[in-house]
Amino acid sequence: GQQVMQIPQYQHVQEGEDFTTYCNSSTTLSNIQWYKQRPGGHPVFLIQLVKSGEVKKQKRLTFQFGEAKKNSSLHITATQTTDVGTYFCAGPRGNKLVFGAGTILRVKS
Amino acid sequence: DVKVTQSSRYLVKRTGEKVFLECVQDMDHENMFWYRQDPGLGLRLIYFSYDVKMKEKGDIPEGYSVSREKKERFSLILESASTNQTSMYLCASSALAGETDTQYFGPGTRLTVL
Repeated sequence: GQQVMQIPQYQHVQEGEDFTTYCNSSTTLSNIQWYKQRPGGHPVFLIQLVKSGEVKKQKRLTFQFGEAKKNSSLHITATQTTDVGTYFCAGPRGNKLVFGAGTILRVKS
Repeated sequence: DVKVTQSSRYLVKRTGEKVFLECVQDMDHENMFWYRQDPGLGLRLIYFSYDVKMKEKGDIPEGYSVSREKKERFSLILESASTNQTSMYLCASSALAGETDTQYFGPGTRLTVL
């Protein structure tokens, strides 16, 4: 069945450094969603990408959807302590979502 | 704002007990979902429902059942709890039936089975 792989599993960065998490699907996706889960919290929707090669920005966060619509990335520029948490990508399968395992981001101040 | 609430934040049960986890959403959403979250495994779908009294198995339905008698409420049932069901359980809802839409999550229930 369709799988969504996400790497790295864990990243610990110094405050001010950049961070990137990558998401790869075994099949072409109609869209991809990204969620953030703060420590002790629940996943919260960040963004959805639909078009091939699409790039969207939210302040220091840049989201990309690959040309083949099988991969995506989330890049954070100059991380801050407020960025800590787990970032999940998710792709559709029928009327459900398949989530990646998530990337845990820790930021050292 | 969409609000998804879950009946308990923390729950401790004994092996063999019947456990009910309740989820309520207040936005008239069609779809509701139950996931479990375990370290390194992400969010795994247990069951979902796209309409009242309608349900479909997710990726890991074994040991669980669900009930959706009213549109706003989706219950997850552990018929006979086992220690390997110790986990964080997350409920979610989304607006549109038959389409992939943004999912709104509840705060989660951390279940410990002793």
